[in-house]
Formats: sequence, structure tokens, C-alpha cells
Amino acid sequence: AQSVTQLDSHVSVSEGTPVLLRCNYSSSYSPSLFWYVQHPNKGLQLLLKYTSAATLVKGINGFEAEFKKSETSFHLTKPSAHMSDAAEYFCVVSEWEGRRALTFGSGTRLQVQP
Amino acid sequence: DGGITQSPKYLFRKEGQNVTLSCEQNLNHDAMYWYRQDPGQGLRLIYYSQIVNDFQKGDIAEGYSVSREKKESFPLTVTSAQKNPTAFYLCASSITPSDLGGNSPLHFGNGTRLTVT
Repeated sequence: AQSVTQLDSHVSVSEGTPVLLRCNYSSSYSPSLFWYVQHPNKGLQLLLKYTSAATLVKGINGFEAEFKKSETSFHLTKPSAHMSDAAEYFCVVSEWEGRRALTFGSGTRLQVQP
Repeated sequence: DGGITQSPKYLFRKEGQNVTLSCEQNLNHDAMYWYRQDPGQGLRLIYYSQIVNDFQKGDIAEGYSVSREKKESFPLTVTSAQKNPTAFYLCASSITPSDLGGNSPLHFGNGTRLTVT
């Protein structure tokens, strides 16, 4: 069975400083991994996805994530935070369990201080 | 612009009443989904549909029902049997019905916040 753990429920950074949102997963096979972003009272938007190609994945808005199989991690990073990055971020793992199943992490709320 | 429209944005109901949440998409996607989001938790799958006139239970289907009579529409009914219906409900779609969002991304509506008192 698959699972995903987002290690921080809240992260606060200053504008212009780096962002690190941590995600660990467990999966029986080779999973697909995603990061989605959700702004308040909105739906989720895909930031980036990993599907067994390059381990460093670049997404929208300057975000990227590195798949590390040995550490079972898929941390999300951005070199320089912008005020508009303030939102909730979800790490998602996908594998086949009789049907394709998505498991969402519990989310990390990112605050960006001016 | 193509997208997913959920209505209404906010919905208030008395306990014991059934309520239907609307979801319409003009993306020409075959697969549609309903998720429930509670504070501090990830999304949980209620129902999904890979094709018109077919739908499957997700992980938390008890107390909910759906229909898929048209490709564009996937309404969700929250019945009085749902023990804790107050939540934020998200509808999504994806272009590839077979992988259920596992490779092709999910496109989400802006959600309906249901409050039952």
C-alpha cells in the first residue's frame, strides 16, 4: 500500500529566501509523484510531476522537485519565494492498486513574510 | 476558457436533508472525480467516473451518490445518511480515463463548501 507524509504542516519564509517543502512516500512499486498547489477556497493546480523520467523535475512558477529513491523523498524547492507563493501544497503519490489510486498528503501551508 | 465549474460556492443545509452539488466541465474529459477535503487532511476520493453512465465508489462513498448521464456533468448528492457532511467538496476531471490521474494531471474546480447544521 502506498502512503505519503508531508513532514511540515506549516512553513514560514521571508520573501526572496529559499523554499523547502518536504515529502516522504512509501510505495510498493515505482510510483508517480506529484505536487499540487491550492490557494484559499480554490481547487488544486498541478505544479509538477515525476513519472520515472529525469529525477529532477521542473514545474511552473520556478518550483522544482527531486525524486530520491534511496531516501523515498520528493521534496519541493524554489530558490526565491514570492508573496504569491503563499498557499497550501500537497504531495501526491500514485500507483496501481487494482485501479490507479492517488494518495494525497495532509498538506503544507506556506506563509511568505514581506 | 475551458474548465470545471462547481456550484454553488457555499451551501447551507439542515441535518436530515439531501443536497446536490453541481459539477460541469467543458474540457471534453472522459474521467471525472469527487473529492472531499477536511481541515488538515489531504483529499479523499468519494466517487469517480471513467465514462458516461458508469461510476465507481472511491474510498469514502458511504452516504453519497452520483450520476453520470452526460459527459459534461457529474453531480454529487450528499444524503442524510452521511454522518459528517460538513466539508469542502472538490470536483476534478482528467483526460485519460484509464489512469485516474496517475499520469495525466487532474483539473479541479474551485470547490463547494457545504455546511450542515
